[in-house]
Amino acid sequence: TQLLEQSPQFLSIQEGENLTVYCNSSSVFSSLQWYRQEPGEGPVLLVTVVTGGEVKKLKRLTFQFGDARKDSSLHITAAQPGDTGLYLCAEGGLSFGAGTTVTVRA
Amino acid sequence: DAGVIQSPRHEVTEMGQEVTLRCKPISGHDYLFWYRQTMMRGLELLIYFNNNVPIDDSGMPEDRFSAKMPNASFSTLKIQPSEPRDSAVYFCASSFWGSFYGYTFGSGTRLTVV
Repeated sequence: TQLLEQSPQFLSIQEGENLTVYCNSSSVFSSLQWYRQEPGEGPVLLVTVVTGGEVKKLKRLTFQFGDARKDSSLHITAAQPGDTGLYLCAEGGLSFGAGTTVTVRA
Repeated sequence: DAGVIQSPRHEVTEMGQEVTLRCKPISGHDYLFWYRQTMMRGLELLIYFNNNVPIDDSGMPEDRFSAKMPNASFSTLKIQPSEPRDSAVYFCASSFWGSFYGYTFGSGTRLTVV
């Protein structure tokens, strides 16, 4: 299993601002998933990226997969309080990053 | 579909007692995973099954932990004897395509060992 590094660890922003969180590995990802976890619940799958350079959009969320498939980013445009949660990246589900805790203040 | 169902949602037990956590995967899913989440160590894979057969249990911390999947719709994770350091949230997840495309998680069981 490979080590996934996420940054930043914490992020607190005002409603309406944009944010970006990152996930990096020293090894190539076979596939990469992004999850969001709310307190008291299990992680919920947001997206899977597979192809280097791939960009996927989910409403106000944009996911990018690096060309070399060693890094990924999640960008949220005009964040809302409902975006608050722990964002986790995972490689094939066998290993997870430590997560980025995002707080969007109203 | 009701999703992945875990029970109980909360469990408080005394050190030395046996604890059994239960999971019902999504119907038709042929992979089942057990995870443990703590503040210190994050989300850790304990064991996973394919078609009810354990494939990789290298994440199981000690012999005190055991997992079974007697049929496609039920799995258990047992800790015997339990210790305070086992306190964590335990998640079960299932999928149809293995790990490649991600999973559906249950809501977890919060275990507290006192």
